[in-house]
Amino acid sequence: DAGVTQSPTHLIKTRGQQVTLRCSPKSGHDTVSWYQQALGQGPQFIFQYYEEEERQRGNFPDRFSGHQFPNYSSELNVNALLLGDSALYLCASSLAVLAGGGTDTQYFGPGTRLTVL
Amino acid sequence: DQQVKQNSPSLSVQEGRISILNCDYTNSMFDYFLWYKKYPAEGPTFLISISSIKDKNEDGRFTVFLNKSAKHLSLHIVPSQPGDSAVYFCAATFGNDMRFGAGTRLTVKP
Repeated sequence: DAGVTQSPTHLIKTRGQQVTLRCSPKSGHDTVSWYQQALGQGPQFIFQYYEEEERQRGNFPDRFSGHQFPNYSSELNVNALLLGDSALYLCASSLAVLAGGGTDTQYFGPGTRLTVL
Repeated sequence: DQQVKQNSPSLSVQEGRISILNCDYTNSMFDYFLWYKKYPAEGPTFLISISSIKDKNEDGRFTVFLNKSAKHLSLHIVPSQPGDSAVYFCAATFGNDMRFGAGTRLTVKP
């Protein structure tokens, strides 16, 4: 059973460019969340996708956008990159618990290390 | 705003002894708490969780304690093993909102 996979592993971009990161959820999971982890910090919630719609969003600007496909995989897009966007971007998948309005335990991928020069 | 805090950036213990990792939170709406372990070059791995209606949950060598009145939770690892050396993150959730602490690096010395 493949866990959560992310691509690419590493990425180097320059300021002002745009980047797309990809995530495939764990088999059987239908919800994908994206997190940004800066050096020395814990992961910070960017947004969550369920049924191809953004379900909840953290405190991130509109430069950060996403998409979920019918097969539950997801993309994170960041426009007009800033130096401060350099971080490890983590994708986590889970199974929606609709009755409670939340999700079951989230399982994380290995992350994509983005460096903005 | 840091709603979940891990005030000890690092902890070093001897193999076989107990490791105690601490976490404090400020939002009383959090109703589910989790601990994740992270090795270098890997994503965080779920370790153990506890609902706010409980005060203790045990899974093998790992026990999580929750003190709601103090808004404090702790992870006990007994006995500690060198393979437990990693960064440990506590997380708290309310609905879809999950907040993480900054992590504590645990080193277990042989």
